[in-house]
Amino acid sequence: DSGVTQTPKHLITATGQRVTLRCSPRSGDLSVYWYQQSLDQGLQFLIQYYNGEERAKGNILERFSAQQFPDLHSELNLSSLELGDSALYFCASSYQGATNEKLFFGSGTQLSVL
Amino acid sequence: GDSVTQMEGPVTLSEEAFLTINCTYTATGYPSLFWYVQYPGEGLQLLLKATKADDKGSNKGFEATYRKETTSFHLEKGSVQVSDSAVYFCALAVAQKLVFGQGTRLTINP
Repeated sequence: DSGVTQTPKHLITATGQRVTLRCSPRSGDLSVYWYQQSLDQGLQFLIQYYNGEERAKGNILERFSAQQFPDLHSELNLSSLELGDSALYFCASSYQGATNEKLFFGSGTQLSVL
Repeated sequence: GDSVTQMEGPVTLSEEAFLTINCTYTATGYPSLFWYVQYPGEGLQLLLKATKADDKGSNKGFEATYRKETTSFHLEKGSVQVSDSAVYFCALAVAQKLVFGQGTRLTINP
């Protein structure tokens, strides 16, 4: 158990809809990362937050947004969903968000867009 | 841009065989290098890391050496077990980003 909690584990929705994925980081960790894993794209970095502030941005679509709340949990919002958004979405956390720090990953949320 | 290239899988070996999974990278600056492992139904876990040239990371019998001259970080294990079956990801960290390779699926048969 990594200590990172993601909910829900599975999500099935339709095209055009909006969903919210939730992540609770490991106790004491200040930084949260979101990744998308798909068969064709592999593991893609989406965005990183540190203590409530956006720190780094990767290949995140404009239809996607995220935030980190004062209690350090994070939410990833996906809107106007398309079939191609079907993927496994991982959250990870680390203490300081430093470049060479070990990341602790959650078990992921499997999103299926039908 | 920064990128990681891993040998394509899947890789299938017999128990006690020698394992090598190749990983090469392209990066600006001086990245830290990692191997993460993903067991079925789970998130990724850090297996080992190296933060500078010629460093050797090791864990659970796995080893990888940071080779700056060949921009490589190949993963090796002398004798694999069935429990090593998983997907292995090579990754580099630079400029606040952790960039992963495509992953290599490893299956070990008894």
